[in-house]
Amino acid sequence: AQSVTQPDIHITVSEGASLELRCNYSYGATPYLFWYVQSPGQGLQLLLKYFSGDTLVQGIKGFEAEFKRSQSSFNLRKPSVHWSDAAEYFCAVGDGGGADGLTFGKGTHLIIQP
Amino acid sequence: GAGVSQSPRYKVAKRGQDVALRCDPISGHVSLFWYQQALGQGPEFLTYFQNEAQLDKSGLPSDRFFAERPEGSVSTLKIQRTQQEDSAVYLCASSPEGVLGQYGYTFGSGTRLTVV
Repeated sequence: AQSVTQPDIHITVSEGASLELRCNYSYGATPYLFWYVQSPGQGLQLLLKYFSGDTLVQGIKGFEAEFKRSQSSFNLRKPSVHWSDAAEYFCAVGDGGGADGLTFGKGTHLIIQP
Repeated sequence: GAGVSQSPRYKVAKRGQDVALRCDPISGHVSLFWYQQALGQGPEFLTYFQNEAQLDKSGLPSDRFFAERPEGSVSTLKIQRTQQEDSAVYLCASSPEGVLGQYGYTFGSGTRLTVV
């Protein structure tokens, strides 16, 4: 069964500093990988996704993520965070069949210090 | 519509009461998913529809949970005899494709169910 681990429950970053959120997955084949962001009281917004090809993917809001098969990781990065980036971030894995939906990690809560 | 719409946004139910949660997916989207998100957790898969066919209901936690999508568009998640452990946010997502493809999923804002 596929699984996703986000080892950091909370991360605090100063505004303007760089950010890296970790995600490790367990999956037998080449996974489809996603990062979603959730603001309080809101649904999930897709930041970026990886299906195949270039292992460095660019997303919205200045985010990027790198797929590293050897490390089973798909870490999310941003060079300079803004106060509006404070939210909950979820990494998810799925397969091409789609019938089982996505498997999500427990999330990382990002706090931005002024 | 422009996005996935869920109603109601908030629902308070007394223990033992039946509830019905509605999801209006993006028009023309083939796939529809329901997820349950407990407080402080990531969303967990409940069930999947491709058009009107419920292809996977393996995530439904008990036989008190029932979902339908009779005409392949609007879906309803029904919970009978609600229990306190059913308190969660219920998220609906849709996709234009029958399988997980390049579009991923679009999520609604969810229905927050509180059972008292």
